[in-house]
Amino acid sequence: SQKIEQNSEALNIQEGKTATLTCNYTNYSPAYLQWYRQDPGRGPVFLLLIRENEKEKRKERLKVTFDTTLKQSLFHITASQPADSATYLCAPGSSNTGKLIFGQGTTLQVKP
Amino acid sequence: NAGVMQNPRHLVRRRGQEARLRCSPMKGHSHVYWYRQLPEEGLKFMVYLQKENIIDESGMPKERFSAEFPKEGPSILRIQQVVRGDSAAYFCASSPRDTSLAGGELFFGEGSRLTVL
Repeated sequence: SQKIEQNSEALNIQEGKTATLTCNYTNYSPAYLQWYRQDPGRGPVFLLLIRENEKEKRKERLKVTFDTTLKQSLFHITASQPADSATYLCAPGSSNTGKLIFGQGTTLQVKP
Repeated sequence: NAGVMQNPRHLVRRRGQEARLRCSPMKGHSHVYWYRQLPEEGLKFMVYLQKENIIDESGMPKERFSAEFPKEGPSILRIQQVVRGDSAAYFCASSPRDTSLAGGELFFGEGSRLTVL
């Protein structure tokens, strides 16, 4: 069955450093992959989408890579700030289905 | 343009009662998705609807749960005879089109938190 794995352990880093979060998937071939941010008690908010024919996508301090051979996406936040502290969810998407399936998320804590 | 509106934000029910959660999608969005999130867990897909149609309900429990998205009015997620295990946050999301087309992003509401006593 399809499986999405994100590091379940919280990631703690110092302000100013680069945070790198991992999303691995098995048993399917997504046409694209989305990343969302979720703050406690709030709904997820879309951040970035990367397609299978794209290696890398950037948006301000965010960078996403997509390696279809490794079946992995990496999500980077450069020059991290305490305001970046949140849970980050990845969602590989298939063109065969209308629904979006999410990983369990990785919680990032940026310490000042 | 208002975002996805969910109500109630908090709902308390006793075991055996019914819970009705409402979701008004963003203006112009005709696709609605419901997800459930248990404490410390990820979002679990429940059901995908378009106006008057259930497209994919593969994540819905077979009993007690139902969803609809009528021609007029909000989408409703209905849980009959609630049990303690139904306590969770229920999130609704909408999109202007099927997410499988060009990878459209989902716009989420703030969720409805159900507590079953």
